[in-house]
Amino acid sequence: DIVMTQSPLSLRVSPGEPASISCRSSRSLLNTNGYNYLDWYLQKPGQSPQLLIYLGSSRASGVPDRFRGSGSGTDFTLKITRVGAEDVGVYYCMQSLQTPYAFGQGTKLEIK
Amino acid sequence: QVQLQESGPGLVKPSGTLSLTCGVSGGSVSTDNWWGWVRQPPGKGLEWIGEIYHIGSTNYNPSLKSRVSLSVDKSKNQFSLELTSVTAADTAVYYCARYKVTPPYFDSWGRGTLVTVSS
Repeated sequence: DIVMTQSPLSLRVSPGEPASISCRSSRSLLNTNGYNYLDWYLQKPGQSPQLLIYLGSSRASGVPDRFRGSGSGTDFTLKITRVGAEDVGVYYCMQSLQTPYAFGQGTKLEIK
Repeated sequence: QVQLQESGPGLVKPSGTLSLTCGVSGGSVSTDNWWGWVRQPPGKGLEWIGEIYHIGSTNYNPSLKSRVSLSVDKSKNQFSLELTSVTAADTAVYYCARYKVTPPYFDSWGRGTLVTVSS
């Protein structure tokens, strides 16, 4: 099974400042079709997870462009260029290259 | 926009069977998507349970495989989860979700339902 590891597990960021979350997989998520099967989800307090980024770097519909996904193979990063109060919650990476799909442990983002 | 709604008992006795149903509205289960379950123990992270395709194909998490079963009812436009021999470790919020095939991601989630395993 593929294991996903996120860091850090918690972040406290001042409004307007950038934030970065790392996600590593135990094996490459690069499919033979050239795409990385790595998604990012945000779970806001009391809500279901919502998709932010799919296939490593594609923003989901309606997601602000301050959210940027990058990386390939086993190393991925989610960057928020300017954190806002509405960005608080837990961020999860998830691999869907093969079942069982697996989530990272989650990174809790708080505002200073 | 498809909407998903979990339903089922909120309390299950140890060694019993957890049974949940996910009703689908605004779309059909008989489409080129997988229909999945994800759970979240209180205060913890997300765990993928498994998925089912409308023709009945399934994939399960090996950690639960011997205890989990998914089914789909096209006539009622819903899919279901059964988890047997439950223990307190199975206490969690259970989410149903649609997993799109192309591009691949979970695009719709239910609100989740808390199932507590306790006598």
